[in-house]
Amino acid sequence: TQLLEQSPQFLSIQEGENLTVYCNSSSVFSSLQWYRQEPGEGPVLLVTVVTGGEVKKLKRLTFQFGDARKDSSLHITAAQPGDTGLYLCAGDTGNTGKLIFGQGTTLQVKP
Amino acid sequence: NAGVTQTPKFRVLKTGQSMTLLCAQDMNHEYMYWYRQDPGMGLRLIHYSVGEGTTAKGEVPDGYNVSRLKKQNFLLGLESAAPSQTSVYFCASSEPNQPQHFGDGTRLSIL
Repeated sequence: TQLLEQSPQFLSIQEGENLTVYCNSSSVFSSLQWYRQEPGEGPVLLVTVVTGGEVKKLKRLTFQFGDARKDSSLHITAAQPGDTGLYLCAGDTGNTGKLIFGQGTTLQVKP
Repeated sequence: NAGVTQTPKFRVLKTGQSMTLLCAQDMNHEYMYWYRQDPGMGLRLIHYSVGEGTTAKGEVPDGYNVSRLKKQNFLLGLESAAPSQTSVYFCASSEPNQPQHFGDGTRLSIL
């Protein structure tokens, strides 16, 4: 059974601070996706990383895929209250697009 | 921009009742998925479909059935609802090797 361990599960920080969320697995994934979910809505894709060692930036968000394609991280620089939400990582098993989701990280950024 | 539409949005059932959740997508996507989301557990795949007329079991299929009679619709059925099936249910669709698009969820309570 493939598992994706996401940490931390909860994070409460002040506006302007930096943070990193981690997703780790013993399994290799064909790609890894990061989603953000607002209350009452479905997850929305932020980024997909495909190549081992790949780094992608989305404004203040930096996503990295591990060299062995087993782990990934999301780093947010100078967090804003608008970054508040649930962040989910999901590994693509490469089998008909089935995704394995991490447990999620609930981020609260206080003004 | 409808995307993925789930009905109903909320439902309360009594133990033993049956119901069907409907998912409709207007993007002509080949693949469709049903997930459940529980606190601290991320999203878990219940069933999925790689094309009209085909379905397959996911990670947590017990107690659920699905049907994909039309390409745009994916139905999730609970034959005899149990309190353990209280959850938020998400439908998603995608093209092969492309990111999944999610609906806004169905909040289901089983009393």
